[in-house]
Amino acid sequence: EVQLVESGGGLVQPGGSLRLSCTASGFTFSKYWMSWVRQAPGKGLEWVANIEGDGSKTNYVGSVRGRFSISRDNARNSLSLQMNSLRAEDTAVYYCTRVSGAYDTSEYWGQGTLVTVSS
Amino acid sequence: EIVLTQSPATLSLSPGEGATLSCRASQSVSSHLDWYQQKPGQAPRLLIYDAFNRATGIPARFSGSGSGTDFTLTISSLEPEDFAVYYCQYSITFGPGTKVDIK
Repeated sequence: EVQLVESGGGLVQPGGSLRLSCTASGFTFSKYWMSWVRQAPGKGLEWVANIEGDGSKTNYVGSVRGRFSISRDNARNSLSLQMNSLRAEDTAVYYCTRVSGAYDTSEYWGQGTLVTVSS
Repeated sequence: EIVLTQSPATLSLSPGEGATLSCRASQSVSSHLDWYQQKPGQAPRLLIYDAFNRATGIPARFSGSGSGTDFTLTISSLEPEDFAVYYCQYSITFGPGTKVDIK
């Protein structure tokens, strides 16, 4: 059974940093692109970043490029999102997803972790 | 950049009725359009991928159709657990969602 479990969310002040983690199980982690998708309170879904199976390629939405960094540790079946220079508009539930196909289908989702950026 | 538009924003129906949700792309996406369901307090769940393929475990009452710029998600007969928000997606772009609520 595919499982994705996020952790690391919490309350952080504007300008601060936070590191999210996602632990994967039930599949060969290194074979899949992985992504982060977020959802602000009461809003829709927003794709944030993705990373290729071997970690060699990454992509970011414009609003986080230069502030967020996605990475993975295939030996530990772990995905991370380092978030720096956080802003109020980064407040959201962050989901880790396993990507399938060539067009970023998020086939499996974690339960999400809440990040709140507030003073 | 492709923009996805979903209509209607809200659909009020009764259990047992059929539902038709629309997703329109600003330019052709061929058949690369996915649908997700999200219930309150839960993560989204993949329903349909590549326009018409049901994901694993998805009931047959859910079906997808369309290609190019116009797509439809059809729920043949609404079950109580189907009242939720539905999103379409192409690549890294999500639509704004359609809420299906109980009339």
